[in-house]
Amino acid sequence: EAGVTQFPSHSVIEKGQTVTLRCDPISGHDNLYWYRRVMGKEIKFLLHFVKESKQDESGMPNNRFLAERTGGTYSTLKVQPAELEDSGVYFCASSQPGLASYEQYFGPGTRLTVT
Amino acid sequence: EDKVVQSPLSLVVHEGDTVTLNCSYEVTNFRSLLWYKQEKKAPTFLFMLTSSGIEKKSGRLSSILDKKELFSILNITATQTGDSAVYLCAVVTSGTYKYIFGTGTRLKVLA
Repeated sequence: EAGVTQFPSHSVIEKGQTVTLRCDPISGHDNLYWYRRVMGKEIKFLLHFVKESKQDESGMPNNRFLAERTGGTYSTLKVQPAELEDSGVYFCASSQPGLASYEQYFGPGTRLTVT
Repeated sequence: EDKVVQSPLSLVVHEGDTVTLNCSYEVTNFRSLLWYKQEKKAPTFLFMLTSSGIEKKSGRLSSILDKKELFSILNITATQTGDSAVYLCAVVTSGTYKYIFGTGTRLKVLA
């Protein structure tokens, strides 16, 4: 079974540019999560999709961040325009359908560097 | 504000040593606590603990939760160089599925 995949593995952009990160969850996993780790800090929750619906987006830092999951399969996270403080590692995770599943499977992350 | 604190931040031991990693939490409506191991990229699941006092074991790793004192420990016995990683503790609260992470403990095992 393929795990959670993320693309790209590393992105370097200039301040003010736009970047789109992609996450492909494990097949059949309705739940998809985005997290972010900035330098020296803990991993922090950004948002949670159940299929194509945003279940919880309480962690999204501001309106420069837009997450989508059209069709309930893969998800994208767009940052526009990027700022220096957006640099960090963006993790995606997925989990099985249903209320009882708390075990999340993580992808390898996308390292975003904004210069 | 919900908080998860891990200690120590980092640890260097020699092969064969036993280590204990700590995770304390202050959250409302605790549901479960999870441990993950992150070697290079993706964190991988180790344990999920929901009830106090029940030890979970997997090989040389074990973990237990104390819901009265609000902490968990992760023990690794007879450490090997392959145990070198960042160990992450995360808490889930009722009514949500998002993880609240600690900063992690970086373990280095020397040959």
